[in-house]
Amino acid sequence: DVKVTQSSRYLVKRTGEKVFLECVQDMDHENMFWYRQDPGLGLRLIYFSYDVKMKEKGDIPEGYSVSREKKERFSLILESASTNQTSMYLCASSLGQGVGTDTQYFGPGTRLTVL
Amino acid sequence: AQSVTQPDIHITVSEGASLELRCNYSYGATPYLFWYVQSPGQGLQLLLKYFSGDTLVQGIKGFEAEFKRSQSSFNLRKPSVHWSDAAEYFCAVAPTGYSTLTFGKGTMLLVSP
Repeated sequence: DVKVTQSSRYLVKRTGEKVFLECVQDMDHENMFWYRQDPGLGLRLIYFSYDVKMKEKGDIPEGYSVSREKKERFSLILESASTNQTSMYLCASSLGQGVGTDTQYFGPGTRLTVL
Repeated sequence: AQSVTQPDIHITVSEGASLELRCNYSYGATPYLFWYVQSPGQGLQLLLKYFSGDTLVQGIKGFEAEFKRSQSSFNLRKPSVHWSDAAEYFCAVAPTGYSTLTFGKGTMLLVSP
């Protein structure tokens, strides 16, 4: 079974802090994704990566950056956390045959609260 | 603009009753269509997907979905709901095989005894 793990289930940070959210997948997938999930808004794509050191902006990249130094690991970085970044963050990975056709496998999520 | 609409925010169904969750999309051509489920405290899991061919698609956990081009819809159905089906359900669409997914806002399913 594909396993996508996220470093923390719950995280509390202060405004202005630099925040790192880590995601690791164990199935040698090419594609990795970061979403944020908010009530009433569904999932919105922040960034995705289709290869090591490659990244593409999603629908809401402002205030975020990402890093993919190794194939299995995809990090989401909040350079200076703000209260409006309080949210559930979901990481996903997929095989890499087609971004729009692959099954995405999701981690359990990190609930981030910024005070 | 491309969009995915799930008209129902919440639905309550009695255990054993049938279920239909609605999904409509606005794309010119036939997109790639997915249904995902999110159980409480967990990530999303794929239920089923439609790319082409037979418009009735079977998925896991007894779910099926029907693609109707004329209505731009991809509704999810289950003949008999179990209490363990209580979860949030997301419809997702990709215009092409090289496009990222756009998710609907989700429908929360509550199952009453």
